[in-house]
Amino acid sequence: AQRVTQPEKLLSVFKGAPVELKCNYSYSGSPELFWYVQYSRQRLQLLLRHISRESIKGFTADLNKGETSFHLKKPFAQEEDSAMYYCALRRYGGATNKLIFGTGTLLAVQP
Amino acid sequence: DVKVTQSSRYLVKRTGEKVFLECVQDMDHENMFWYRQDPGLGLRLIYFSYDVKMKEKGDIPEGYSVSREKKERFSLILESASTNQTSMYLCASSSGKQGRTEAFFGQGTRLTVV
Repeated sequence: AQRVTQPEKLLSVFKGAPVELKCNYSYSGSPELFWYVQYSRQRLQLLLRHISRESIKGFTADLNKGETSFHLKKPFAQEEDSAMYYCALRRYGGATNKLIFGTGTLLAVQP
Repeated sequence: DVKVTQSSRYLVKRTGEKVFLECVQDMDHENMFWYRQDPGLGLRLIYFSYDVKMKEKGDIPEGYSVSREKKERFSLILESASTNQTSMYLCASSSGKQGRTEAFFGQGTRLTVV
């Protein structure tokens, strides 16, 4: 079964501090991992995906298959990063497989 | 620009009513999804569809059904609405093509069952 775990409901940091949002997954096959973000009063949107290995808005995430983790990191938080962040998983290479989300972490960046 | 449009932003229905939530996408995506979003529970998958007339249950299908008669439209049906179905409902679509599996979301429908 697919499962995504985000252990923190809320993460509060000060502006300029480093941020790490945790995501662990369980899946027996080869996973494709994503981070989605929802800003206040906006629709959910993709932030980044592991296969792209890119940095978006200063955020990066590395897939660690040994630890089954896909933590989201940013070295210096900005107030505009305040949002709800969701980690998501689907089967890599599958065209029709379901997309499963974690419970989300609310990031609050204090001035 | 990908558009996923849900027919209503807000709905108020009575217990026992049959409720239809409609979702339309304009990018010829194969996959469509219905989630409910609740505080502390995140997004939970109700049903998804990978082709016209094809559907699979998600993690919480009880009390719901779906219909996909056309590729662009995916409907969520609450057969007999109950108060515990009060929630935010999100529709999403995605391509099945490798490298384009990003899901695009609608704006959500906040359903209140009284």
